[in-house]
This record gives sequence, C-alpha cells and structure tokens, in this order.
Amino acid sequence: SQTIHQWPATLVQPVGSPLSLECTVEGTSNPNLYWYRQAAGRGLQLLFYSVGIGQISSEVPQNLSASRPQDRQFILSSKKLLLSDSGFYLCAWSTGGSETQYFGPGTRLLVL
Amino acid sequence: AQSVTQPDIHITVSEGASLELRCNYSYGATPYLFWYVQSPGQGLQLLLKYFSGDTLVQGIKGFEAEFKRSQSSFNLRKPSVHWSDAAEYFCAVGASWLDKVIFGPGTSLSVIP
Repeated sequence: SQTIHQWPATLVQPVGSPLSLECTVEGTSNPNLYWYRQAAGRGLQLLFYSVGIGQISSEVPQNLSASRPQDRQFILSSKKLLLSDSGFYLCAWSTGGSETQYFGPGTRLLVL
Repeated sequence: AQSVTQPDIHITVSEGASLELRCNYSYGATPYLFWYVQSPGQGLQLLLKYFSGDTLVQGIKGFEAEFKRSQSSFNLRKPSVHWSDAAEYFCAVGASWLDKVIFGPGTSLSVIP
C-alpha cells in the first residue's frame, strides 16, 4: 500500500533563516506531487506541483521554492523565511491529473 | 476558470441530527468531484469522490453526496451526526485534462452533545 511521509512534524524558525521541508511517498511510481499551505483558520493554497522529476509548476509567486530530486521525493525550501510563511504545510500525491489526492500528516511551521 | 464555493463557513448541529454541507462548482464539462475531511492538526482524508456513473455516491464514515449537474452542486450529507464528525470539510473539483484539483474554502462543523 502507498504511504506518504512528511518531516519534520513541527518546526519553529527565526525570521530570515532557511527552510527545508521534505515529503516522500512509498509504494507508487511516478506520482504527481503537491505542496499546499494552510494558514490558521484558512483554506488550502496550492503552492507547487510536480508531474515528474525536475518538473515543478509554481502556482503562487512567493518566498518559497520546490524541488523534486527523486521520483518520490518532494522538497519545499526557502532561503530566508518571513513571518508570513508561518502555517501548516501539506504534501499530497496522486496517480496523475485530477485523480484522487492523498495527503500527508503535515508540517506545522512557526516563524518568529 | 474552475472554481469551488462552499457557502457555509461554519455550521453547528446537534449530535444525532442530520447534516448537509453545500458545495457548488463552476466548470464547463463533467468534473471530478471530491469531499475531504480534516481533523485539527491533521492531513486531509478522502471521504468520497465522483467521476462518473451513479450520481449518488457513498463514502466512508456514513457520508454520502449527490451530484446534481443542473445545479452544479455536490452536497455532502449524513443522516445522523456523531460528535467525532466535528472537523473541517473541503469540497474539491478536478478535470480529466488538469494536473491538479481546486479546493473550496472549507466548512467548519461543530457538533453539540
């Protein structure tokens, strides 16, 4: 069966520090991968998605970037965090297109 | 462009009462439709989905949803709510030619004992 992992689960970082959040999927090949952000009390904002290694689509221009160095690994990064980067970050995978998305447990990021 | 609206930001129901959460979408062709649930501090869990066929879809945890093309709606229902159903509910729409789905803003459900 397929599983999706995210780490860390919780992260507290100072403003201006770098960020690296990791997402890995097991039990499937060539998945579509997605990064979402959820601000407190808000809905889901799609940040990036990837349909293959090295292929990244950015939905919203911002302080973050994404990379997919391996088929089942998706990384969210920032060189310098802003206060507004605080939120709950969710990774998801699907078999492709608008097929069902399966979500990871999320990473809660607090930027102070 | 595709869009999803969930008119109710917050709903409160008594335990044992029936529930209906509304979802409307904007899309030119037959969409893929989803309902997800999110408990506090957790990821999203798929409740049910509609791709084609029978317009009444059964999901997990006793939920069902009905696709009404004429109303561009995909409302989620449950005949008797349990306290554990308190959570955030998201409707989402996709299409065969898209690489992503569009999520609605969510409806927060509170359950009174």
